[in-house]
Amino acid sequence: DTEVTQTPKHLVMGMTNKKSLKCEQHMGHRAMYWYKQKAKKPPELMFVYSYEKLSINESVPSRFSPECPNSSLLNLHLHALQPEDSALYLCASSQSSSGNNEQFFGPGTRLTVL
Amino acid sequence: GESVGLHLPTLSVQEGDNSIINCAYSNSASDYFIWYKQESGKGPQFIIDIRSNMDKRQGQRVTVLLNKTVKHLSLQIAATQPGDSAVYFCAEIRMDSSYKLIFGSGTRLLVRP
Repeated sequence: DTEVTQTPKHLVMGMTNKKSLKCEQHMGHRAMYWYKQKAKKPPELMFVYSYEKLSINESVPSRFSPECPNSSLLNLHLHALQPEDSALYLCASSQSSSGNNEQFFGPGTRLTVL
Repeated sequence: GESVGLHLPTLSVQEGDNSIINCAYSNSASDYFIWYKQESGKGPQFIIDIRSNMDKRQGQRVTVLLNKTVKHLSLQIAATQPGDSAVYFCAEIRMDSSYKLIFGSGTRLLVRP
């Protein structure tokens, strides 16, 4: 299994809602990532988890809260988002977060904040 | 991100021709470079990589060239096919940034039948 899965595929939420994005991989990878991608732009790193611990937070606002319940799962909890947070949220995984490890990306969750 | 502007550069090629997509990177400390392909509605997909101690690497129908002197990376696709239509991103891993993957601005490849 060389796949990273993400749910839901699409999400529409209001600014007062609380929602969660989910990511799963069964490749035995110990590093997992969240990226944000706006239209016509490259993915931008948000968070890195290494061995289920948060190792990098790219100064992401606290309305985004990551969680890594176990080595296969990665969540992104959303609360009080703004319309400018609308984007494609990509999850990725790699064998480790150090060295030159290929990152495998999921298909993303397209988020719209009304 | 390092992208600028609202429009992706676009390369339009005839089916069967060769395509060359270029990328400039800024950090001489980068040690590893990757080309990703992103089709509409999908996440980026690994195509080919190259380490900084190499200047050329070949895969199936794809070749990556690295010129460290001018900090330039290119992706050559031979006999371009309609299925190659996508946005292509170069990415670098910076040894001075905790091995973070930094994406370039992207190029849209359109293959004309």
